[in-house]
Amino acid sequence: DVKVTQSSRYLVKRTGEKVFLECVQDMDHENMFWYRQDPGLGLRLIYFSYDVKMKEKGDIPEGYSVSREKKERFSLILESASTNQTSMYLCASRRPREAFFGQGTRLTVV
Amino acid sequence: SQQGEEDPQALSIQEGENATMNCSYKTSINNLQWYRQNSGRGLVHLILIRSNEREKHSGRLRVTLDTSKKSSSLLITASRAADTASYFCATDNAGNMLTFGGGTRLMVKP
Repeated sequence: DVKVTQSSRYLVKRTGEKVFLECVQDMDHENMFWYRQDPGLGLRLIYFSYDVKMKEKGDIPEGYSVSREKKERFSLILESASTNQTSMYLCASRRPREAFFGQGTRLTVV
Repeated sequence: SQQGEEDPQALSIQEGENATMNCSYKTSINNLQWYRQNSGRGLVHLILIRSNEREKHSGRLRVTLDTSKKSSSLLITASRAADTASYFCATDNAGNMLTFGGGTRLMVKP
């Protein structure tokens, strides 16, 4: 079975902190994604990576950056966390067909 | 910008009834996928329908696609309490990005 693992299920950080959300997949997928999910807004794409060191901005990249130094790992970075970044963050990797999701990280910024 | 929009936003039915969810999208697609999300968890892929297909079945799931109307529907027959979840459509355009809609929250009452 494909496994996508996010480093934390729940995270509480202070405003202004630098926050790292880690995601690891074990199926050698080239494509990896970071989404955020908010009530009433569905899933919105933050960043997409199609290969090591390659990335594309999604719909809401402001306030975020990403890192993909190894194929299996895709990190989302909040440079200076703000309260409006409190959300559920979902990582996914995909084959040519379907995507596989991690269990999500619920981040609260206080 | 969200590609897919689901309708209704919420649906409540009795066990044994059928549940129908609709998805509309804006641009041309390679395929359309449906995912399920149990409360507070990651998404799980249910079914994929290609742009040249009109209908697809998988167990109790039936998906239709009308590319002329840019719409899709997901039918769950003989629903069970365990089908209670949120359901999302996702469009796959050229470029490997998956764009999700806002989701339909389904509640199946026993």
